Amino acid sequence: QSVLTQPPSASGTPGQRVTISCSGSSSNIGSNTVNWYQQLPGTAPKFLIYSKNKRPSGVPDRFSGSKSGTSASLAISGLQSEDEADYYCAAWDDRLNGYVFGTGTKVTVL
Amino acid sequence: EVQLVESGGGLVQPGGSLRLSCAASGFTFSDYAMHWVRQAPGKGLEYVSAISSNGRSTYYANSVKGRFTISRDNSKNTLYLQMGSLRAEDMAVYYCTRYYMDVWGKGTTVTVSS
Repeated sequence: QSVLTQPPSASGTPGQRVTISCSGSSSNIGSNTVNWYQQLPGTAPKFLIYSKNKRPSGVPDRFSGSKSGTSASLAISGLQSEDEADYYCAAWDDRLNGYVFGTGTKVTVL
Repeated sequence: EVQLVESGGGLVQPGGSLRLSCAASGFTFSDYAMHWVRQAPGKGLEYVSAISSNGRSTYYANSVKGRFTISRDNSKNTLYLQMGSLRAEDMAVYYCTRYYMDVWGKGTTVTVSS
């Protein structure tokens, strides 16, 4: 079961900025880095953001991450139609001694 | 190219067993802990199991503890997940992923049905 809480959906028009929140606790987000993943329909999750706000090569700088206390956020600026996907946060949990995932947010481009 | 390729999924009856494999290439497999993550149809990602680089330490989610066994063969660059006493709720796409969860395979589908 998911330990990190995300809003089920978010939406915006092309060019807009969309923000997705990820709420956790002191044992996960509060003490460890947060990864973000993008999952297009029928495909494996794609590594999007790590270590608060670093992007693997090939990920556009329209995607950015931040963290404050026990919460993290993913921002998508200049929203594009190809950004329509599910987004998940993840963090190591010191109490469970394993990774935990967010509940997932479906982003719709209107 | 860094790559993970899962295999072994299929249709199994409730109570049955299945062994998944994950073949790694393009990196030094024995240097990395590895994970299994699953996704039930229409649901989110669930962290299932993990194993240390040398295979001596393992982790299991409560939902699979006692039924699944993770292992690895560093000489074959392969990760395994032995699944037993399978239930309908184990039906999912199973992904293997590397230590930082930066590299993912395309997944293998497990269907549990009579």
